[in-house]
Amino acid sequence: KAGVTQTPRYLIKTRGQQVTLSCSPISGHRSVSWYQQTPGQGLQFLFEYFSETQRNKGNFPGRFSGRQFSNSRSEMNVSTLELGDSALYLCASSASYQETQYFGPGTRLLVL
Amino acid sequence: GESVGLHLPTLSVQEGDNSIINCAYSNSASDYFIWYKQESGKGPQFIIDIRSNMDKRQGQRVTVLLNKTVKHLSLQIAATQPGDSAVYFCAELRDSGGYQKVTFGIGTKLQVIP
Repeated sequence: KAGVTQTPRYLIKTRGQQVTLSCSPISGHRSVSWYQQTPGQGLQFLFEYFSETQRNKGNFPGRFSGRQFSNSRSEMNVSTLELGDSALYLCASSASYQETQYFGPGTRLLVL
Repeated sequence: GESVGLHLPTLSVQEGDNSIINCAYSNSASDYFIWYKQESGKGPQFIIDIRSNMDKRQGQRVTVLLNKTVKHLSLQIAATQPGDSAVYFCAELRDSGGYQKVTFGIGTKLQVIP
């Protein structure tokens, strides 16, 4: 089975812009979670989607949003980018609730 | 999930020796635990998991031990190899109001000395 894929792998944006990141889960997986990873804060949970519904949300501002499509692919969007949004954004998929999460390689976002 | 993040502890091990990486988890209600390995520039990779009804689980060259009394998890890597050099972190999962809450440890950097 192919693993979790994320596009793009690298991205450079400037403050105030918006960005959309994409995640394709492992085939058959219906749950997709997004995380932000930074050296200072480690892995922080953004949100989780299951069957196109957001089931859980972390403590991030409303500038961070996401969605999931009927084929389980997911996108996350960050509007009005800030320098502090520079991070590795990781997507993880799992078959269902309380199942092992498998991570993608991440999208490294640099905000200038 | 939340993680506390910061300065990563580092463990340096001679090639061929056994490595033990520790993790103190926060919530006694957590009932599922996972160890991940993250190499530089890559996403975390699943290594091994354990449920709270077990205290030990073995994989290929890896063993996870769970001590619920003191809320402690450890990952043992036998015959450590240079390819094992990475950051290792644990994740604890629990049900929170019908949702799955995941909390990640800060991670330990394993350096294997050839």
